[in-house]
Amino acid sequence: GAGVSQTPSNKVTEKGKYVELRCDPISGHTALYWYRQSLGQGPEFLIYFQGTGAADDSGLPNDRFFAVRPEGSVSTLKIQRTERGDSAVYLCASSLRGGDSSLAGYTFGSGTRLTVV
Amino acid sequence: SQQGEEDPQALSIQEGENATMNCSYKTSINNLQWYRQNSGRGLVHLILIRSNEREKHSGRLRVTLDTSKKSSSLLITASRAADTASYFCATARKAGGGNKLTFGTGTQLKVEL
Repeated sequence: GAGVSQTPSNKVTEKGKYVELRCDPISGHTALYWYRQSLGQGPEFLIYFQGTGAADDSGLPNDRFFAVRPEGSVSTLKIQRTERGDSAVYLCASSLRGGDSSLAGYTFGSGTRLTVV
Repeated sequence: SQQGEEDPQALSIQEGENATMNCSYKTSINNLQWYRQNSGRGLVHLILIRSNEREKHSGRLRVTLDTSKKSSSLLITASRAADTASYFCATARKAGGGNKLTFGTGTQLKVEL
């Protein structure tokens, strides 16, 4: 597609439930990033994919968070046993490729606003 | 964790004035980027400056980078009401072969008519 698409745009879930957030990057972009942004803060890195593999998952806060990108395009961020503290906007971004050659910046999606009640 | 600190946290100016935002960071970088965000949703890439560059221009935007002081500034000239948004700096270091960005805390800019 023309841009990075994230679905759903809003998600309200009950504490303890499982949620999946989807990101459809720009076609041909091999690098995909997930960020989380709390109110009044800058985005915080969660995980980075280069192709199908997670090249850096150091930002995932705990083992309730997991992300996949099985075919190297669409990615799903999965959160188990959601907690109220997980409430935030989850942002996905893609870039043509990682490394020093990726100097055009990221293209971000509009994010998924997750609210855990 | 967030590497960058932006200053000021909030800035209110009149249309036509220039807006200057500053960013400080802590570690060595490959490049530094500035992004704009409206209404707390998707960020839009504005400009990128490499670690070996000192100044860069794009339209009404001017970015400087001082790697010895680990700081950058974003100048928006002749501001417009439509420039009202949050602005974030982000630094890129090599991490696992990628170009992972670490964002600052942002400056909220309000341009009044």
